[in-house]
Amino acid sequence: KAGVTQTPRYLIKTRGQQVTLSCSPISGHRSVSWYQQTPGQGLQFLFEYFSETQRNKGNFPGRFSGRQFSNSRSEMNVSTLELGDSALYLCASSLRTSGSYEQYFGPGTRLTVT
Amino acid sequence: GESVGLHLPTLSVQEGDNSIINCAYSNSASDYFIWYKQESGKGPQFIIDIRSNMDKRQGQRVTVLLNKTVKHLSLQIAATQPGDSAVYFCAENINFNKFYFGSGTKLNVKP
Repeated sequence: KAGVTQTPRYLIKTRGQQVTLSCSPISGHRSVSWYQQTPGQGLQFLFEYFSETQRNKGNFPGRFSGRQFSNSRSEMNVSTLELGDSALYLCASSLRTSGSYEQYFGPGTRLTVT
Repeated sequence: GESVGLHLPTLSVQEGDNSIINCAYSNSASDYFIWYKQESGKGPQFIIDIRSNMDKRQGQRVTVLLNKTVKHLSLQIAATQPGDSAVYFCAENINFNKFYFGSGTKLNVKP
């Protein structure tokens, strides 16, 4: 079974630009969560989508948004990029049934904002 | 958000020894916990999980212990190998809501 895939793996953007990252979950998984990982703040939860609906949201500004498609693939968008948005963005997929909430992570997208 | 912390930021062990990585959590309502391993340049890898109705769970070479009285979680790795060198995170979850991650412990395995 293929794992979680994320594209692109690396991205360099300049301040003020916007970026869209993509995540394809494990086949059959309906939940996709997004995290930001930085050396200073560690792993921080951005949001979770389940069956195309945002189910949970972290404490990030409105510049960070996401969506999920009917095939469970998810995208996250960051508008008006700031230097502090440089980070590893990880997505994790889960079956998210009452008996299983194991999350499996993708390799991440390394975003550098200059 | 909830606070999940680790006692030791870096742990060095000799190859073949057992490793114990600790994690403290702050919310007594947390009912599900996961340990992840993250190698350089990779995403976190699921190691083992435990629900709050259990005190101990064993996997292959790994054991997770949960002490709800003191809100403490530990990961024990038996016969530590160089391939175990990585950063280890614990994560807590309440009622299948969002996960909160600890800051991580770096495990160095000396040959």
